[in-house]
Formats: sequence, C-alpha cells, structure tokens
Amino acid sequence: DGGITQSPKYLFRKEGQNVTLSCEQNLNHDAMYWYRQDPGQGLRLIYYSQIVNDFQKGDIAEGYSVSREKKESFPLTVTSAQKNPTAFYLCASSPLRPMSGGPLNEQFFGPGTRLTVL
Amino acid sequence: RKEVEQDPGPFNVPEGATVAFNCTYSNSASQSFFWYRQDCRKEPKLLMSVYSSGNEDGRFTAQLNRASQYISLLIRDSKLSDSATYLCVVNGGSPSNTGKLIFGQGTTLQVKP
Repeated sequence: DGGITQSPKYLFRKEGQNVTLSCEQNLNHDAMYWYRQDPGQGLRLIYYSQIVNDFQKGDIAEGYSVSREKKESFPLTVTSAQKNPTAFYLCASSPLRPMSGGPLNEQFFGPGTRLTVL
Repeated sequence: RKEVEQDPGPFNVPEGATVAFNCTYSNSASQSFFWYRQDCRKEPKLLMSVYSSGNEDGRFTAQLNRASQYISLLIRDSKLSDSATYLCVVNGGSPSNTGKLIFGQGTTLQVKP
C-alpha cells in the first residue's frame, strides 16, 4: 500500500533535548512538508522540500531543522532552541505542481506525531 | 486579516439536516482550493478539490466564488459520521508563497441523532 508513515506516534522529551521525527513516503512524490498543529489552530508550515538535497523555511522554522537526502524521507529535528515544542506534528507530501505558477496539487498527510515536552 | 478565515463553530445539526460552511481568502491570485476533513486527534484527509465550475461528490458540494473570494461546502442529509472539523485550504497568492498551502483553523461540525 502506498502512503506516508510517521514515527513515533507519541514522543516525550525532556527540556533541553533534541529529538528527531521520522517521515517516510512511498508515493513517489517530489514535495514533502512539515506542519505543526496546536489545539484550536490551523496548520502552520515549518519546512518544505521540493527536490532532494533542497528545502525551504516555512512560516515557523526557528528551532527546527530538516534534511532531504532521499526522495522518500524528510526527517524533522526539534531542537532545544524551540521554545514551545509540545504540539501535533504532521508530515505531508504531494506531486510537484505541473507548471510554474500553476495550481498546486493536493497534499497527503501522515498520521502525525504528538510531541510532549516534560 | 488572516489569509484564510473560517467560522470555527461548532455547528450542531440533527441527522438529515443540510449544513453549509463558508471560507474567505484574502489573496485574489490564489488558484488552488481544497476542503479537508480532520477527525479528532487524526491527520487531515482530502475531502474534495474545489473548481471554478463547482463540483459535487455525493452529498457534498463545493463552490468557488472568485469575485467575492470565498469557497463554500454544502453537506446534504448529514450523517453522524460527518461529525469532524472541516478545513478550508488555499494556496498562497503572493509571489513568495504560491508554492504553499494555507490552512484555515477549521469549522467543527457535530451531527446529533
């Protein structure tokens, strides 16, 4: 079955620790995204990548880092510099838009990781 | 003004009712419009794309009004299983964010027996 997997589902971290969230997709999508969702709020974009070895900051990149060494994988590291890391983290992927400036394709989401900082 | 705005609700309706949600967006250059459904503590799932001509999928109808910059979602014959949060999603319209999707905070629907 094609899809997006995220692990772990729940993660607990002590203050001051870095932690890495996994995201893997076998949909052959070029683009991958990381979002954060807080209670009662919309999704906010952390980082995104449209091709291997390239990624761009989203709206709230401070305190996070990513890598895109393989098309299938886009791990997110939450560093100790992130002041309020407790949240629901969602990874998504999509095919690239068919032409520059044209409509975007829909994004498909993984099941998410709930991170709690103790 | 937020780029995508939705009434958070909750909308409480009886089974069988028809309910409509509106969503407004700020950038007239936006080209991609979607409705996603998110169940409690789950990931968002694509419900439907929204096209200029409007589109229907079973009990669900989506409309786009570019002149007034809003999209709507109509649900007919509501089922208990329709209870969820519905997210309005639009791509950024400015040159710096056309490659990004902007998510509204969602409208919560509760269908009661």
